[in-house]
Amino acid sequence: DAGVIQSPRHEVTEMGQEVTLRCKPISGHDYLFWYRQTMMQGLELLVYFNNKAVMDDSGMPKDRFSAKMPNASFSTLKIQPSEPRDSAVYFCASSLAGPEQYFGPGTRLTVT
Amino acid sequence: RKEVEQDPGPFNVPEGATVAFNCTYSNSASQSFFWYRQDCRKEPKLLMSVYSSGNEDGRFTAQLNRASQYISLLIRDSKLSDSATYLCVGGLTGNTPLVFGKGTRLSVIA
Repeated sequence: DAGVIQSPRHEVTEMGQEVTLRCKPISGHDYLFWYRQTMMQGLELLVYFNNKAVMDDSGMPKDRFSAKMPNASFSTLKIQPSEPRDSAVYFCASSLAGPEQYFGPGTRLTVT
Repeated sequence: RKEVEQDPGPFNVPEGATVAFNCTYSNSASQSFFWYRQDCRKEPKLLMSVYSSGNEDGRFTAQLNRASQYISLLIRDSKLSDSATYLCVGGLTGNTPLVFGKGTRLSVIA
């Protein structure tokens, strides 16, 4: 069975550029989560969806971040403009009926 | 104050040793607790759920103390392959977002 798929796996970009991260959840899962992980802050929830609707985006800096889920099998997290402090590993996770979340392999973002 | 706090370690233990991690949570309304394992440069994966009555899975035992608001993970007979970061996780109910601790790093040495 395919797990959560994320692309790209690595992204290096210059400050000010737009970055788009992509996620395909496990088929049938109706919850999707975007996290950011850094050494200093650990794993932080940015936004999560239930049945494609945003449930909570209070962890997301809305001036530069936006998240969408146009269909049940695809979500994007966009950063525009990107800044060096956005450098982190971004994880997407999905879940079904219970609290257990399945994480994708992550996108390692470096903004120079 | 973080909702879930853990000692970051590292815990360096010899093979065969028993090691225990504790984690405290601040939200007394939290109902669901888990331990996740994260290998270096990999994604977190669920290790085990934590039940009020305590639960055991092979060499791993998890316990919850609601009165003191802490969760523990005990690993017996440590293996080299247990080397990883262990994330303590709490949540309210159902599919409300989980809150992750920053993790405790374990290194098991030969």
